[in-house]
Amino acid sequence: DAKTTQPPSMDCAEGRAANLPCNHSTISGNEYVYWYRQIHSQGPQYIIHGLKNNETNEMASLIITEDRKSSTLILPHATLRDTAVYYCIVRVKFYNNNDMRFGAGTRLTVKP
Amino acid sequence: DVKVTQSSRYLVKRTGEKVFLECVQDMDHENMFWYRQDPGLGLRLIYFSYDVKMKEKGDIPEGYSVSREKKERFSLILESASTNQTSMYLCASSSYRAASTDTQYFGPGTRLTVL
Repeated sequence: DAKTTQPPSMDCAEGRAANLPCNHSTISGNEYVYWYRQIHSQGPQYIIHGLKNNETNEMASLIITEDRKSSTLILPHATLRDTAVYYCIVRVKFYNNNDMRFGAGTRLTVKP
Repeated sequence: DVKVTQSSRYLVKRTGEKVFLECVQDMDHENMFWYRQDPGLGLRLIYFSYDVKMKEKGDIPEGYSVSREKKERFSLILESASTNQTSMYLCASSSYRAASTDTQYFGPGTRLTVL
């Protein structure tokens, strides 16, 4: 069962904010939202995660709606190097090592 | 920074050969994972290990085995490679210590071609 739904592709102009949505309407109370990205021919890279509060780090911001049924990853000033596939994953922290489900993700293309 | 390294970026083997893929992490992580990634199928977990000499099957363990003799090293073994094992293989590690974010750190991947 797909736990998350993401648009298959998005474009963004260089220097602009990239806002990547994710729907997770069946999320449980103890499930976190994790975001990873995968640049072509490399392994996935962790970006950020959160439970219910908005989070920010040096790479991105994560906005989770109050009902936790959706979230948005924000890259504030996208660069060409941010072109990648972005994956939204929901899982219980520390619960099960067999639960990382990378779906199809969103292919973000940052254009000059 | 966490570093996960894999022994080869590209590997070409023949059907029936025994293949070893090596993964090393330098962050003293307890958990290590092997995935394969194929177009349209995403990442699929082959095996994982939560401690030295411990292993657990993932979603697609058939045709593979693993070895974890040291905490930092996790090996994936294809006993008799077949063409349907041509894929990108990704190793990852994570920690289950309380202060950890429980994120997985991935290596660069090994693109294996079996002829």
